[in-house]
Amino acid sequence: DAKTTQPPSMDCAEGRAANLPCNHSTISGNEYVYWYRQIHSQGPQYIIHGLKNNETNEMASLIITEDRKSSTLILPHATLRDTAVYYCIVRASTGANNLFFGTGTRLTVIP
Amino acid sequence: GAGVSQSPSNKVTEKGKDVELRCDPISGHTALYWYRQSLGQGLEFLIYFQGNSAPDKSGLPSDRFSAERTGGSVSTLTIQRTQQEDSAVYLCASSFSGGEETQYFGPGTRLLVL
Repeated sequence: DAKTTQPPSMDCAEGRAANLPCNHSTISGNEYVYWYRQIHSQGPQYIIHGLKNNETNEMASLIITEDRKSSTLILPHATLRDTAVYYCIVRASTGANNLFFGTGTRLTVIP
Repeated sequence: GAGVSQSPSNKVTEKGKDVELRCDPISGHTALYWYRQSLGQGLEFLIYFQGNSAPDKSGLPSDRFSAERTGGSVSTLTIQRTQQEDSAVYLCASSFSGGEETQYFGPGTRLLVL
């Protein structure tokens, strides 16, 4: 699976949009971009995933650049409960089945 | 709840003892995964089941670690002769099938080996 690069930490004011970037410049055509988050002492929580089109669900939006070498997870109105480590994962549709979690971005939502 | 459940939630054991960790996947999910997360570290893949068979055991760190799955549902991860470095959170995930299907995680079992 392609390697991803994320900033180690970010802050966001409560109520504002949180934009979390991820670089995956070596992504190949059959690899999806997944986002998970892990709130302290809990298991990872699935957020969203996409292949090349932008995606939106009740939790977040995923914006993937046209060349697919980077993406941004957007939490439109961050709350204190969104404080967590956010992981960007690139994963092929075939082959290895496990997820490779890097170090992620620690998002702190500030009151 | 219809999520992945794990038991026990916490386990404290003495070095050298054996432990068994249980995972109940989401009903109907054929794929099941075990990961572990040491303090302050990322997730480390251990083993993947498709049905009752384990096509990928590449992450098991030593022969003290084993896992089985029966009836295509519940899975048990067994650690024999536990060592202090086995202390970690052991996470289970399941997905509808393998491949790119989304994995959903349980809350984990926190294992402390004294």
